[in-house]
Amino acid sequence: DAGVTQSPTHLIKTRGQQVTLRCSPKSGHDTVSWYQQALGQGPQFIFQYYEEEERQRGNFPDRFSGHQFPNYSSELNVNALLLGDSALYLCASSRRGPHEQFFGPGTRLTVL
Amino acid sequence: AQSVAQPEDQVNVAEGNPLTVKCTYSVSGNPYLFWYVQYPNRGLQFLLKYITGDNLVKGSYGFEAEFNKSQTSFHLKKPSALVSDSALYFCAVRDQAGTALIFGKGTTLSVSS
Repeated sequence: DAGVTQSPTHLIKTRGQQVTLRCSPKSGHDTVSWYQQALGQGPQFIFQYYEEEERQRGNFPDRFSGHQFPNYSSELNVNALLLGDSALYLCASSRRGPHEQFFGPGTRLTVL
Repeated sequence: AQSVAQPEDQVNVAEGNPLTVKCTYSVSGNPYLFWYVQYPNRGLQFLLKYITGDNLVKGSYGFEAEFNKSQTSFHLKKPSALVSDSALYFCAVRDQAGTALIFGKGTTLSVSS
């Protein structure tokens, strides 16, 4: 049983560009959450998708948007990249409810 | 608002000794608490959770955590540390508004041989 997978592993972009990160949840999971982990910090919640809709959002600007597909996979889009967007982006999946979230290996985004 | 504090940036222990990684929380209502471990250049791995029930929660790799409501703490423990336990440990609480996790800053555990 594959766990949570993310692509790409690493990405280098320049300021002002746009980026799309992808996530496939663990089998049997229908809820996907995205987190941003800056260097030396704990993960910060970006948003969560369930039934193809954004259900909850953290304190991130509208430049951060997402999508969930019928097969529960998800994308994170970031527009107008800033240097401060450089971070490890983590996707987590879970079943609906107070269950543990399972994390993917992350995508390391570097903005130059 | 919910929050989690991990008061120690780093914990150093010798192999074979017991270890404790501290976590305190602030929530309104009943807390849902979690511990995760992160190895270099890896995602987070789930260790254990407290939802309700026994105050001593057993998890993966021999780890356990003690929930203390009066002290609002959820310390991670292991009776005998291994060098391979060296990693970054995060305590998290579930956001009461939904199911988002709020993480602490993390504690680096270093186990020496």
